[in-house]
Amino acid sequence: AQSVTQLGSHVSVSEGALVLLRCNYSSSVPPYLFWYVQYPNQGLQLLLKYTSAATLVKGINGFEAEFKKSETSFHLTKPSAHMRDAAEYFCAVSDKNFNKFYFGSGTKLNVKP
Amino acid sequence: EAGVVQSPRYKIIEKKQPVAFWCNPISGHNTLYWYRQNLGQGPELLIRYENEEAVDDSQLPKDRFSAERLKGVDSTLKIQPAELGDSAVYLCATRDPKNTEAFFGQGTRLTVV
Repeated sequence: AQSVTQLGSHVSVSEGALVLLRCNYSSSVPPYLFWYVQYPNQGLQLLLKYTSAATLVKGINGFEAEFKKSETSFHLTKPSAHMRDAAEYFCAVSDKNFNKFYFGSGTKLNVKP
Repeated sequence: EAGVVQSPRYKIIEKKQPVAFWCNPISGHNTLYWYRQNLGQGPELLIRYENEEAVDDSQLPKDRFSAERLKGVDSTLKIQPAELGDSAVYLCATRDPKNTEAFFGQGTRLTVV
């Protein structure tokens, strides 16, 4: 069985500060991992994905994530937060056939001026 | 190219009434997912289609929920009768066979009163 745990349902940072959103997964097989962003009243938009290539993955809007097998983690980072980054972020894991995506419960990012 | 289109965006109904949601996938996307997102939680899979075949409906509450995907293109999700606990956002996502990414629609926010 696969599952995703996102530590911290709410994270608040100042504009310009480092963003770190945590994601840990459990999977019996090498997983595919994703980060999605959801703006208010919108669907989910893919930020980045890990599919067994480079462990450091760069995505859109300056975000990146590092797959660490030993820690079963896939934390999302951005060096400098912008006001427009305020949204909810979901980590997801999929089997290799993408039959099902398992989502974490989400982390709401608040960016203070 | 248009993304995944869902309608309606919002729906308010009284309990015990029927309701239907519609999804138009991205052209060429054979795989279609319906997800339910409860408030403060990540999306959870209800049903997955490969073309017109429902290949995973294990999480669909079949006593009141039904879905169809005629001709392997558009899909509808129906609830009859609706219960208060069905209030959620219903998300449709689609994927083409050559891609690892699932594209999400904006969702239908259902409120059952």
